[in-house]
Amino acid sequence: QKEVEQDPGPLSVPEGAIVSLNCTYSNSAFQYFMWYRQYSRKGPELLMYTYSSGNKEDGRFTAQVDKSSKYISLFIRDSQPSDSATYLCAMARSNFGNEKLTFGTGTRLTIIP
Amino acid sequence: DGGITQSPKYLFRKEGQNVTLSCEQNLNHDAMYWYRQDPGQGLRLIYYSQIVNDFQKGDIAEGYSVSREKKESFPLTVTSAQKNPTAFYLCATKGGQGALQNHMNTEAFFGQGTRLTVV
Repeated sequence: QKEVEQDPGPLSVPEGAIVSLNCTYSNSAFQYFMWYRQYSRKGPELLMYTYSSGNKEDGRFTAQVDKSSKYISLFIRDSQPSDSATYLCAMARSNFGNEKLTFGTGTRLTIIP
Repeated sequence: DGGITQSPKYLFRKEGQNVTLSCEQNLNHDAMYWYRQDPGQGLRLIYYSQIVNDFQKGDIAEGYSVSREKKESFPLTVTSAQKNPTAFYLCATKGGQGALQNHMNTEAFFGQGTRLTVV
């Protein structure tokens, strides 16, 4: 079993819809949770960062962490065609500089105009 | 401008040939990583280095080699022993001072990738 599981999609939704992307994990030591966005043929870039359980909102994006269920989500409101990308979740046990990140497989999202 | 530069963007390798992918950073980050990305498999860690002149194998190191002679540079060599090298290769860095705790230490910064194809 992989430490982090993520539905690879692909996921297609109409413009303006609410998108929900999810990851589950098995390692209870993970405390730091991130979402990266990767456009086609580009490197990933950090979109959202959350420590421990709870919600974090940034504009149209909301990251949610439920450590009791080992489940994290990214919600995108009023989705735009520019949101079409692959979304990767990532996790870490600590915020030490030498800590490796563990990534999900990524979900490919297409927003249809 | 600051960032991570990977070169070349596209690389073609003949059977039995070694090729080297370049990764240079001017972010003054200690940790550097090489990932391989294949469709449906996410990012798989090949090698990582937390300090100059030191590096460790990741999950899929067979057929690859690295060096870390300078803080700014972490080249990856794909050797002829790597039987299925066609993939998208990503170099990443993380900031901070090794074991120091810092809120921003968890963010990884990525280069734009090198797409390697065997011909």
